[in-house]
Amino acid sequence: ETGVTQTPRHLVMGMTNKKSLKCEQHLGHNAMYWYKQSAKKPLELMFVYNFKEQTENNSVPSRFSPECPNSSHLFLHLHTLQPEDSALYLCASSEGQGHTEAFFGQGTRLTVV
Amino acid sequence: RKEVEQDPGPFNVPEGATVAFNCTYSNSASQSFFWYRQDCRKEPKLLMSVYSSGNEDGRFTAQLNRASQYISLLIRDSKLSDSATYLCVVPSGSARQLTFGSGTQLTVLP
Repeated sequence: ETGVTQTPRHLVMGMTNKKSLKCEQHLGHNAMYWYKQSAKKPLELMFVYNFKEQTENNSVPSRFSPECPNSSHLFLHLHTLQPEDSALYLCASSEGQGHTEAFFGQGTRLTVV
Repeated sequence: RKEVEQDPGPFNVPEGATVAFNCTYSNSASQSFFWYRQDCRKEPKLLMSVYSSGNEDGRFTAQLNRASQYISLLIRDSKLSDSATYLCVVPSGSARQLTFGSGTQLTVLP
């Protein structure tokens, strides 16, 4: 059983659709992250939230919009995506930002058609 | 120099072998380091943390060389279940976010 839960596990969406990815952590952590993992590429950090405040936006296109209503929940809103956005999107949390290990959810495998 | 750079792999080793991976990092101010393991189509999971010169956990040993800015992971007596991708992780950047290496793929053969 994982302390970080992501839904949905799989998502297929058209380029004109709007969808949201959800992440919830039950570990009492203060920092939450969105990562993108494309085939044969290292994990790419997208966004960092620390105590609900966004502290990092790693030059992510505006078609990805994060939301962090509280320290336990993190969303990634998607709209007008491109096929190259197809990837595994991983949510993670850690006690604090930096220097502490992160715990990952199982990811959402996104396919944009 | 890349922020985190790992052995390219893949490593294919027989059961029972000893295998070592290296990882170099560019941020000399980093204080903590991590090795994660990622199975195929699964999420990364923490394998070991390294805060001082090294850490040992059963068959796994992680060593840190601050002067040369590299960390290594040694796996002794390899098992089939050790087959996975091993990710080197270093906090870096102004926000000290975790930066992942590209990973080293290990396959342990029967």
